[in-house]
Amino acid sequence: DTAVSQTPKYLVTQMGNDKSIKCEQNLGHDTMYWYKQDSKKFLKIMFSYNNKELIINETVPNRFSPKSPDKAHLNLHINSLELGDSAVYFCASSVGGSEKLFFGSGTQLSVL
Amino acid sequence: GQSLEQPSEVTAVEGAIVQINCTYQTSGFYGLSWYQQHDGGAPTFLSYNALDGLEETGRFSSFLSRSDSYGYLLLQELQMKDSASYFCAVGGNTDKLIFGTGTRLQVFP
Repeated sequence: DTAVSQTPKYLVTQMGNDKSIKCEQNLGHDTMYWYKQDSKKFLKIMFSYNNKELIINETVPNRFSPKSPDKAHLNLHINSLELGDSAVYFCASSVGGSEKLFFGSGTQLSVL
Repeated sequence: GQSLEQPSEVTAVEGAIVQINCTYQTSGFYGLSWYQQHDGGAPTFLSYNALDGLEETGRFSSFLSRSDSYGYLLLQELQMKDSASYFCAVGGNTDKLIFGTGTRLQVFP
């Protein structure tokens, strides 16, 4: 039973395309996150949702649009992909503001 | 703002003890967390310290000194499988977990 699952695991696409990453958690958590990890392994928060409501929106280009249809799902849509968007994107979940996050296995996005 | 500093790399041999330090600056500090990430894998939670002192979980221990804005992760009886990146992280009154730059631990036979 995968606790936090995200798909796809690998995403290779051309500049200018639009792509989505899906995330689901079966832990019953009420808070979900998107983190971006760059080539230097720096993990930076992008968004956080609590019970489907956006609570954190870091300085992220508006080409990135998260959507949470229910508290078990948090998807990430990216428009007009750029080379600099290449990174590993991690979905995570937690109970409320707990600092114990459960991460998905990551989506390696490569923009060519 | 919030910032965390940790060494970029640490090396050690199997069976040894290694300490990974973390200093932080944050507002509304709640606690210090540690995560482990193997190459190609996801970060996984190791420990959390809200109060000063040492917390022990098997071969791993984590320490916090709130007055010094400092903590460390202590790994004992190192094994090859401990080779990974280790991240400290702080939460606070912003409801977000900020990660340090990560320390790459290489364990040699």
